Amino acid sequence: QKEVEQDPGPLSVPEGAIVSLNCTYSNSAFQYFMWYRQYSRKGPELLMYTYSSGNKEDGRFTAQVDKSSKYISLFIRDSQPSDSATYLCAMSFLVTQGGSEKLVFGKGTKLTVNP
Amino acid sequence: EAQVTQNPRYLITVTGKKLTVTCSQNMNHEYMSWYRQDPGLGLRQIYYSMNVEVTDKGDVPEGYKVSRKEKRNFPLILESPSPNQTSLYFCASSSMAGGYTFGSGTRLTVV
Repeated sequence: QKEVEQDPGPLSVPEGAIVSLNCTYSNSAFQYFMWYRQYSRKGPELLMYTYSSGNKEDGRFTAQVDKSSKYISLFIRDSQPSDSATYLCAMSFLVTQGGSEKLVFGKGTKLTVNP
Repeated sequence: EAQVTQNPRYLITVTGKKLTVTCSQNMNHEYMSWYRQDPGLGLRQIYYSMNVEVTDKGDVPEGYKVSRKEKRNFPLILESPSPNQTSLYFCASSSMAGGYTFGSGTRLTVV
């Protein structure tokens, strides 16, 4: 079983739709959970960051973490054509206390929002 | 502007010719990392560093070297590049676990 699994899509939705993106993981050591957005030919950009179970909201974006189920989600409300990008989940833990970090990415879900 | 700067953006080289990709950040971040991104494989961590003179191997370190002599710089060195190292490379930095700022990428082709 891979450490982090993410459906690669592609996912195509009409403008204004609610988008749900998901990742599952197998390593219970993961402490930090992130979502990145990557536009074509660009580096990933941090969208959301959390370290606890529950929901975190930022504008049209909501990140949800369920540690008991080892499942994280990103919801995008009122999706816009400018949201068209690849979305990467990522999770990490510190290898030693105050030490180096292991960070693992999902393979990304390509999203297209159609006008 | 807070940023991670990688150079060069594009590089074509021949097998066996040593090369260095530079990475510099202006945010005084402790954590720095190198990744490669390949179709179907996603982003994979090559090396990471939590501070000056402290580096650790990631998931795919073979064929790569790094050094962290200064906090702001984290160069990636390919001593003898091979065609299977053709990839898109990203450097990233963070002041805390996980919240990384990425550079714009270096597209490397080894022929």
